[in-house]
Amino acid sequence: AQRVTQPEKLLSVFKGAPVELKCNYSYSGSPELFWYVQYSRQRLQLLLRHISRESIKGFTADLNKGETSFHLKKPFAQEEDSAMYYCALRGYNNNDMRFGAGTRLTVKP
Amino acid sequence: DVKVTQSSRYLVKRTGEKVFLECVQDMDHENMFWYRQDPGLGLRLIYFSYDVKMKEKGDIPEGYSVSREKKERFSLILESASTNQTSMYLCASSLPITQGRGYTFGSGTRLTVV
Repeated sequence: AQRVTQPEKLLSVFKGAPVELKCNYSYSGSPELFWYVQYSRQRLQLLLRHISRESIKGFTADLNKGETSFHLKKPFAQEEDSAMYYCALRGYNNNDMRFGAGTRLTVKP
Repeated sequence: DVKVTQSSRYLVKRTGEKVFLECVQDMDHENMFWYRQDPGLGLRLIYFSYDVKMKEKGDIPEGYSVSREKKERFSLILESASTNQTSMYLCASSLPITQGRGYTFGSGTRLTVV
């Protein structure tokens, strides 16, 4: 079974501070991990995928298979980063994706 | 530039009604999905489809059915709406997994069952 855990429902940081949104997963096979973001009154959109090893809007995430984690990090948070963030997992040969419960990030001025 | 369109942004239905939620995508995607989004629970998969006339149950299919008669359209049906089906419903589509991409989501339908 695929399971994604985001332990923090709410996270609040000040502008310019580092931010880390935690994601742990449970899956017996090879996972593909994703981060999605939903800004206020906008649709859910893909932020980044572990396969592409990219940095989007200053965010990075590294897949740690030993700790079964895929934490999202940004060294200097901006107010426009305030949003709902979802971690998601898809099995290597699966079409369907499972999402965590989400973390609402608030960046204070 | 809208690629996944959900026909209604807000719906209010009565208990026991049959409800149809429509989703259309214009990206020629093979895969389509229905999720419900609830605070504290995140997105939960209801049903998905990887081809026309094909469907697979997700984690919470009870009380729902789906229809995919054409590649671009995926309908979610609430056979007899109940108050516990009040939620935000999100439709998504994607290319086959071999292309390693994520999902494209619609803007959602907020359904209230009274």
